[in-house]
Amino acid sequence: NAGVTQTPKFRVLKTGQSMTLLCAQDMNHEYMYWYRQDPGMGLRLIHYSVGEGTTAKGEVPDGYNVSRLKKQNFLLGLESAAPSQTSVYFCASSYTGTGHEEQYFGPGTRLTVT
Amino acid sequence: AQSVTQLDSHVSVSEGTPVLLRCNYSSSYSPSLFWYVQHPNKGLQLLLKYTSAATLVKGINGFEAEFKKSETSFHLTKPSAHMSDAAEYFCVVSDEITGGFKTIFGAGTRLFVKA
Repeated sequence: NAGVTQTPKFRVLKTGQSMTLLCAQDMNHEYMYWYRQDPGMGLRLIHYSVGEGTTAKGEVPDGYNVSRLKKQNFLLGLESAAPSQTSVYFCASSYTGTGHEEQYFGPGTRLTVT
Repeated sequence: AQSVTQLDSHVSVSEGTPVLLRCNYSSSYSPSLFWYVQHPNKGLQLLLKYTSAATLVKGINGFEAEFKKSETSFHLTKPSAHMSDAAEYFCVVSDEITGGFKTIFGAGTRLFVKA
């Protein structure tokens, strides 16, 4: 049982380049989330999904797109990377979306945009 | 409106001494409260959670937290710090809003443990 996995672990992009971050979970969770973590700011929600084929915007969605074609996978895309998107990105999942249960986190992807 | 404030950005203790990480929150309804721990270069791991049951919540690795509604606090404590406790700790509040729920993470408290 791998839990939540993320690929890649590290990436360096030049301004304007694009990339996709992959999140996979093997716990049959309905809800999946993408967060970014910046120093002194905790985690902020980028986008989330309440089930296969659905996505919704979070607190800081601008510059990102997501897709959930399969229940176990949640992809985060950056179409044209900017230095402000330098951050650590975490994927998480939960069985329901009541907000009263634990979220399970992946190990993170450290992205640097130069 | 929801908010969560971790009152200390850094806390330093000696090994074997008590740990206190402070968290205050504001919420409109009946929130759930969580503490997560993040070790260097790792994802977040749940330490404990409060979801309207017992106000004193025990978690993993000897940590506990007490929900005090009158003080709107959910401080994290441990009687005796261990070197392996050195990490960043996040207080999280989750509450119902119109159409769903909202989860807010505190800015984090980094715990240093001195030998």
